Amino acid sequence: DTAVSQTPKYLVTQMGNDKSIKCEQNLGHDTMYWYKQDSKKFLKIMFSYNNKELIINETVPNRFSPKSPDKAHLNLHINSLELGDSAVYFCASSLGGNAGELFFGEGSRLTVL
Amino acid sequence: GQSLEQPSEVTAVEGAIVQINCTYQTSGFYGLSWYQQHDGGAPTFLSYNALDGLEETGRFSSFLSRSDSYGYLLLQELQMKDSASYFCAVFTGGGNKLTFGTGTQLKVEL
Repeated sequence: DTAVSQTPKYLVTQMGNDKSIKCEQNLGHDTMYWYKQDSKKFLKIMFSYNNKELIINETVPNRFSPKSPDKAHLNLHINSLELGDSAVYFCASSLGGNAGELFFGEGSRLTVL
Repeated sequence: GQSLEQPSEVTAVEGAIVQINCTYQTSGFYGLSWYQQHDGGAPTFLSYNALDGLEETGRFSSFLSRSDSYGYLLLQELQMKDSASYFCAVFTGGGNKLTFGTGTQLKVEL
C-alpha cells in the first residue's frame, strides 16, 4: 500500500521533448507538492496545490505545468526539455496546512540528453 | 526569502552521539522540521518543532530555540543504518511552504 506513488520512476529523453510525471496519494491529504532535487541534493519546492487549487508557484519556468484533477492527484508536465531539467522530481503530500510534515513519493529521476 | 545553514558533512563512530545544527533566517516562521534521506531514496519525516524545547522520539531528538533562530537534531546510539543525509527545513506561512536546507551528509563508521 504505497502512500504517495509516482510514475515513471526513471525517465530518459532528448532535449526538446515533452514529458509528464504522475503522482497519486492515498492518504486522504488535501495538499500536494512538487519538489526538484538537483545533483547536489538541494531540494527546492516548485508547486503546491490545496484541494486542486494552486497555492505556491516558485518562479518555475512556464515550461513546467502542474495539473491537479482531484485532491489525490498532482501531475507535472514539462515542455521543451532542457539539459538543466535533469534532476529527481519528488511529489509529496500533507494533511491540511501542515507542510511541516510531508510524505514523499519515491521520486522520478529525469535525465535529459 | 529564507536561508538555512547546516554543516555539509559529519562523521561519527557507531554507538556515539552526534548533533547536527541548523540556523535559519526567515519571515513568517511556523516551525522547524527534520528529514532523513538515504542515497537513492525519498526524504522521510523525522520531527517537527513549533515550540522552543526538546522533542524526543526514540534515538532521535530535535531542539528549537525560536529566539536564536536555531535548532539541532541529536542522534544517539548511532548505527550504520543512520548513514544518510539529514535536512532541516523551515515551515513558513504565506502558502504553507517548507523550505529545505542544503543537507548534512552523516557518515557512521565502525
